[in-house]
Amino acid sequence: NAGVTQTPKFRILKIGQSMTLQCAQDMNHNYMYWYRQDPGMGLKLIYYSVGAGITDKGEVPNGYNVSRSTTEDFPLRLELAAPSQTSVYFCASSYVEWAHTGELFFGEGSRLTVL
Amino acid sequence: QKEVEQNSGPLSVPEGAIASLNCTYSDRGSQSFFWYRQYSGKSPELIMFIYSNGDKEDGRFTAQLNKASQYVSLLIRDSQPSDSATYLCAAPTGANNLFFGTGTRLTVIP
Repeated sequence: NAGVTQTPKFRILKIGQSMTLQCAQDMNHNYMYWYRQDPGMGLKLIYYSVGAGITDKGEVPNGYNVSRSTTEDFPLRLELAAPSQTSVYFCASSYVEWAHTGELFFGEGSRLTVL
Repeated sequence: QKEVEQNSGPLSVPEGAIASLNCTYSDRGSQSFFWYRQYSGKSPELIMFIYSNGDKEDGRFTAQLNKASQYVSLLIRDSQPSDSATYLCAAPTGANNLFFGTGTRLTVIP
């Protein structure tokens, strides 16, 4: 049982490039989330999904896109990378809506630098 | 006004002392609160959650909720060097957003 797996762990992008951060979970969780964490800051929700085929915007969705074709996978796409997207990205999942259990299971994070 | 605010610290306590971490929130309708611990370079992990007014104890950790004053606290008794981490307070905002505070960095000095 690997939990939540994110790839890549580190990536350097040039301004204007695009890339996809991969996230997979093997816990059969319905809910999945993408957060970003800037230095000294809390986590900000980018996008979330309540099940396959259903996604919705979080607090800071601009510059990102997601898809949820299967229960297991929730990739995050960055289009036209900008320096403001330099951050650590965390994917998380939960069995039910977090307010009932309080527990999000986080991946190890993907550190992205845009130069 | 931010939904959740924390003193960013850093907070330093000697080993064996009680560490007190505080968090205030703005939404009076908030019903549940969560404390996550994040070691440097690692991902957050849930350590406590509290729904009701009063105290909730789990081992060396006690979460306190005061809805009238809109604050949540986390007490760590008999602090250990392994408790050195950033502690994030989180509360719901909107239907599906868990708002995280900026975190308080705790250092336990041996």
